[in-house]
Amino acid sequence: ETGVTQTPRHLVMGMTNKKSLKCEQHLGHNAMYWYKQSAKKPLELMFVYNFKEQTENNSVPSRFSPECPNSSHLFLHLHTLQPEDSALYLCASSQERGPNQPQHFGDGTRLSIL
Amino acid sequence: GNSVTQMEGPVTLSEEAFLTINCTYTATGYPSLFWYVQYPGEGLQLLLKATKADDKGSNKGFEATYRKETTSFHLEKGSVQVSDSAVYFCALSNQAGTALIFGKGTTLSVSS
Repeated sequence: ETGVTQTPRHLVMGMTNKKSLKCEQHLGHNAMYWYKQSAKKPLELMFVYNFKEQTENNSVPSRFSPECPNSSHLFLHLHTLQPEDSALYLCASSQERGPNQPQHFGDGTRLSIL
Repeated sequence: GNSVTQMEGPVTLSEEAFLTINCTYTATGYPSLFWYVQYPGEGLQLLLKATKADDKGSNKGFEATYRKETTSFHLEKGSVQVSDSAVYFCALSNQAGTALIFGKGTTLSVSS
């Protein structure tokens, strides 16, 4: 049973749609992360939030827009995506943002762009 | 820059065989090192970690030793089980606390 819950588990959308991915953590952590996992590529860090403040944007296109209303919730708003954006999007959290902090991952949202 | 290199998979073993998955890294300073495992249809789970040179992380029969002189963190298990079939990721976190940098992952398939 993961302490990080992602919804939906699967999402199919057209390139002109707008949708949002949701992540919720029940671990009392203060840092949250979005990663993109594509086939045959390393996990790519997208965004980092620490105490609700965005601390990293890893050169992510503006068609991905994160939101962190509180330390327990993280959203990824999607609009006008491209076929190459099809991937598994993973959310993670850690107690704090730091070098020795293990991250706890959700099961991901499998996104398919038509 | 920081990077992690893992051996290419897939690795295919019979049950009770010995497992080694190689991982080497490039980093400035003294990173913390991690192994994560991803079972089919799930997210990543922390398997073990080591935070300084010569530390040995261990969990569920898996071990990895932080070797600064060879910049390596190889994952080993003496006797694998079918339930160990998964994708294994080596990762590092540098001293600045930047989020984890992952290798590409190594798929392990264990047959009975």
